[in-house]
Amino acid sequence: GESVGLHLPTLSVQEGDNSIINCAYSNSASDYFIWYKQESGKGPQFIIDIRSNMDKRQGQRVTVLLNKTVKHLSLQIAATQPGDSAVYFCAEAPFDQTGANNLFFGTGTRLTVIP
Amino acid sequence: DAGVIQSPRHEVTEMGQEVTLRCKPISGHDYLFWYRQTMMRGLELLIYFNNNVPIDDSGMPEDRFSAKMPNASFSTLKIQPSEPRDSAVYFCASSLIAPPHSYEQYFGPGTRLTVT
Repeated sequence: GESVGLHLPTLSVQEGDNSIINCAYSNSASDYFIWYKQESGKGPQFIIDIRSNMDKRQGQRVTVLLNKTVKHLSLQIAATQPGDSAVYFCAEAPFDQTGANNLFFGTGTRLTVIP
Repeated sequence: DAGVIQSPRHEVTEMGQEVTLRCKPISGHDYLFWYRQTMMRGLELLIYFNNNVPIDDSGMPEDRFSAKMPNASFSTLKIQPSEPRDSAVYFCASSLIAPPHSYEQYFGPGTRLTVT
């Protein structure tokens, strides 16, 4: 029979435009959030992270925004390039006094950059 | 640094056979993680180690799966006997705990397992 898989949200943007990828998390106790990028045939690659005591953090061409009130995380990519085409995952980690760093990954969003 | 190394990159085996996946973490990293990625379930944590000791194996699907870390530079994930539903990409990741600032995990390239 037909297999049913995850239906990844998709986002298509024109090269040079800004991209915004959204993520909702469920655990209000999560203390740490991270974005990963996964290109086809490769493992996830770290992009940027943010702790729960912050609401914004900037990197090179990327910005992560955290809204704890509505448990929402977003990744903004400025001047999107063809090389940005990939699946983007958000991940969260609850605070753990033992120091364990177990990450819980979302289902991902597929970003396609149109040249 | 070569990053996290996994072998083999691709594995095709018949149902019922034993499969062993291998991982070499980044030197000096304290944590090692095994993940499975499928279209049906996304990226799932199977087990992780801290200083070679298994900490949480609650993600291991069933007794057919086992993982070991005999030393700081090597880990294996074994499936015996393998079944078609085990077909997936298996990732190994390592991290250097640096609280309270970063919990970044570095992923290997993955092993694509196909069980026929």
